[in-house]
Amino acid sequence: DAGVIQSPRHEVTEMGQEVTLRCKPISGHDYLFWYRQTMMRGLELLIYFNNNVPIDDSGMPEDRFSAKMPNASFSTLKIQPSEPRDSAVYFCASSFSGTLNEQYFGPGTRLTVT
Amino acid sequence: ELKVEQNPLFLSMQEGKNYTIYCNYSTTSDRLYWYRQDPGKSLESLFVLLSNGAVKQEGRLMASLDTKARLSTLHITAAVHDLSATYFCAGISPGNEKLTFGTGTRLTIIP
Repeated sequence: DAGVIQSPRHEVTEMGQEVTLRCKPISGHDYLFWYRQTMMRGLELLIYFNNNVPIDDSGMPEDRFSAKMPNASFSTLKIQPSEPRDSAVYFCASSFSGTLNEQYFGPGTRLTVT
Repeated sequence: ELKVEQNPLFLSMQEGKNYTIYCNYSTTSDRLYWYRQDPGKSLESLFVLLSNGAVKQEGRLMASLDTKARLSTLHITAAVHDLSATYFCAGISPGNEKLTFGTGTRLTIIP
């Protein structure tokens, strides 16, 4: 398996623009997680899905952030409008409930908002 | 709400020495995870610890769990340069699958 796939790997955008991050989980995994990593706040869970259904979005910072999982093999995290404080590395991870839910992380998307 | 604390935050050690990273958590955690992150890279799963007294070893790394003390340790034996990375522990609150990460320990092995 190719592992968790994220795109783009790097994104530079201007403040106010819409940004969409994409994730393909490992085939057969039933959980998908979106994290944000910054120097100041460390690793934060934004939202997670189970069988494509959002379970906990309490970590989503504000209404500018939204996430969807239309099917088992694809998820998006959208920021509209983007702000400089959204600059971070965004990780997607997936896990399978049958194996201790060990989470496998994607390579991350480094987002820079100018 | 589960809180996870690691110490030390930074650790420089000489090759060949032994050291331990500590991970304390505030409330019951179903499982305890250890991850490694190299600079500019993603997180790699190292260990999953399930129960009190659990011990797992891989190469020069050994992780243990004491649920009564709410403490996990990651012990490094005879450190080598390749172990330089940031190490994170993470816990899960009962009833959900949210990982709460510690602040990480940046480990630098000096020749």
